[in-house]
Amino acid sequence: DAGVIQSPRHEVTEMGQEVTLRCKPISGHDYLFWYRQTMMRGLELLIYFNNNVPIDDSGMPEDRFSAKMPNASFSTLKIQPSEPRDSAVYFCASSSLLGDNEQFFGPGTRLTVL
Amino acid sequence: QKEVEQDPGPLSVPEGAIVSLNCTYSNSAFQYFMWYRQYSRKGPELLMYTYSSGNKEDGRFTAQVDKSSKYISLFIRDSQPSDSATYLCAMSASSASKIIFGSGTRLSIRP
Repeated sequence: DAGVIQSPRHEVTEMGQEVTLRCKPISGHDYLFWYRQTMMRGLELLIYFNNNVPIDDSGMPEDRFSAKMPNASFSTLKIQPSEPRDSAVYFCASSSLLGDNEQFFGPGTRLTVL
Repeated sequence: QKEVEQDPGPLSVPEGAIVSLNCTYSNSAFQYFMWYRQYSRKGPELLMYTYSSGNKEDGRFTAQVDKSSKYISLFIRDSQPSDSATYLCAMSASSASKIIFGSGTRLSIRP
């Protein structure tokens, strides 16, 4: 398996623009997680899905952020409109269980909002 | 107060030194404890996994859990420049609970 795939790897955009981040989880994994990582706040869980259904979105910063998982092999995280404070590395991870199991992380998308 | 606290560092030690990385936590329900290693511009990868209290050794790495003190440690013996990375502790209460990550400690091993 190729592991968790994320695209794009880098995104530079201007404030106010819509940003869409994409993730393909490892085949067979039932859980998909979106994280944001910054120097100041570390690794923050934004939302996670189980069998394509959003379970906990309490980490989503505000209504500008939305996430979907239309099928077992694809998920998107959308920011609209983007702001400079959204600049961070966004990771997608997948696992076969929720709590006591290894999460496999993608390479991340480095987002810069100017 | 965060559920999991971890000193962000950076920590810089000479090659060959013993490294000690630590986390404290507040939730006594945590039973599963993990250490992830994250190289620069990469995603975190699982390094060590332990259940409940005690020690676990894997090569140069030893993970230690003290539930009475709510304190976990990762020891690296004979540290190498290739160990330079950010180390994140992580923990959860059960297979049905979210994993909570520490903020990570940046470690640099000087040749």
